Amino acid sequence: DIQMTQSPSSLSASVGDKVTITCQASQDIHIYVNWYQHRPGKAPKLLIYDAFNLGTGVPSRFSGSGSGTDFTFTISSLQPEDTATYYCQHYDNFLGLTFGPGTKVDIK
Amino acid sequence: QVQLVQSGAEVKKPGSSVKVSCKASGDILSTYGVSWVRQAPGQGLEWMGGIIPALDTPNYAQKFQGAVTITTDESTRTAYMELSSLRSEDTAIYYCASGITIPRGVMLGYYSGLDVWGQGTTVTVSS
Repeated sequence: DIQMTQSPSSLSASVGDKVTITCQASQDIHIYVNWYQHRPGKAPKLLIYDAFNLGTGVPSRFSGSGSGTDFTFTISSLQPEDTATYYCQHYDNFLGLTFGPGTKVDIK
Repeated sequence: QVQLVQSGAEVKKPGSSVKVSCKASGDILSTYGVSWVRQAPGQGLEWMGGIIPALDTPNYAQKFQGAVTITTDESTRTAYMELSSLRSEDTAIYYCASGITIPRGVMLGYYSGLDVWGQGTTVTVSS
C-alpha cells in the first residue's frame, strides 16, 4: 500500500504570510494527488486536483505543485478564513484513495 | 443543484451494526461513483471504501475489509455504507462523496478527487 506523509503536522502563521505544506508518497504516484481543506463542522473541500489544478471556484492564492513522490501545497497570502486542516490525498484509478495525516493551520 | 443527502445521526451499542444512506441527485452514482470517508474525534480523514461505475464492485481500504459493506441502489439513486461489529473507536462523522467536476476524459467512472460531499452523519457507539 502507498503511504502518504505530510509536514508539518501543524503550523501557525500571520495573515498575509506564505504557507507551504509538503506531502510525500512512499512510491512514485505521478501526479495523482489532490489537496483538501477541512474546517470544523464542515464537509471537506477539494482545493487542488491532479497535483496542480485549481478546483472550481477556489481562490487563486491556493496552489499545488510536484510529481512523483514529492508534492507541495501553498497558500500565497494566508487569510483568516484559511484556518483549517489541510490534507493531501492520493488516488489510484482502480483501487481507491489514501489520505495523508493532515496539517493544521492556525492564525497567529 | 448537484448534491448528496445523508441519513440522520445514529447512536449504537457496541457489537451492533449501522447502515448510513446517501441519496444522490441526478446520475452521480451511476456516472461518477461514490466513496465513504470518516473522521473520528481528534483524528484525520480516512477513506473507507467506494464503488465506481468502471468496476461496479466495491473497493475497501485494508483497515475496513470485512467490517464495511458499500452498496448502491440505482433505482433510488442511493448509496449505503454498513459498518458491523461496532466499537467505541467507530464513533465518527461519516461522509459520502463523489467527484463530478474534475475532468477525467477516458478515465470517467474511475476513482479521482472528491468535490461533492454529503453533509455528514454522526455515528456514536456507546453502551
